[in-house]
Amino acid sequence: DAGITQSPRHKVTETGTPVTLRCHQTENHRYMYWYRQDPGHGLRLIHYSYGVKDTDKGEVSDGYSVSRSKTEDFLLTLESATSSQTSVYFCATLSPGDTGELFFGEGSRLTVL
Amino acid sequence: GQQLNQSPQSMFIQEGEDVSMNCTSSSIFNTWLWYKQDPGEGPVLLIALYKAGELTSNGRLTAQFGITRKDSFLNISASIPSDVGIYFCAGPPGGGADGLTFGKGTHLIIQP
Repeated sequence: DAGITQSPRHKVTETGTPVTLRCHQTENHRYMYWYRQDPGHGLRLIHYSYGVKDTDKGEVSDGYSVSRSKTEDFLLTLESATSSQTSVYFCATLSPGDTGELFFGEGSRLTVL
Repeated sequence: GQQLNQSPQSMFIQEGEDVSMNCTSSSIFNTWLWYKQDPGEGPVLLIALYKAGELTSNGRLTAQFGITRKDSFLNISASIPSDVGIYFCAGPPGGGADGLTFGKGTHLIIQP
């Protein structure tokens, strides 16, 4: 258990509205990630962070931005939500050391109408 | 980017049967990880493999790191109802810190 809390767990919003998902971790892990999960696509990396204010794009970053002002918090923002961004979003942290293991939060289900 | 091809997509089996699934990559991986996801939850690591040819067990689960470093296999023996879920293979396309690439998952459904 990596002490990851995602909020909100469920959100319904309308096209064109901004949405921010929050990930909070208690283990002081350096690396944090945002993935989205869609049927038929598995888990795809959106953005990741390798330290405070240090972030980089993943495979499906268009339409998303992230911020990390504190080690424990990693925010994912949809500036103007679209229906294609309806998905389940997972935050993850990287286990210290060289194992490559990611610990995941419980997910945030976002529906864009 | 690198892709992981995972098969089968879904499996319908009877309780007590053995299960096999595999994952192949278009390029070499230095680490293979197998995750399980229960409904409504995030994926949880089952087994990690770090060396070509390595065979690792975790209870009724056994996973192997293929010698070519482009594939991995997961076997579950004597399946039970709580094995139901989605199983993902994953590997780090780069050095590991820039995230994992995941297969699309194998849905395991167990019929009583």
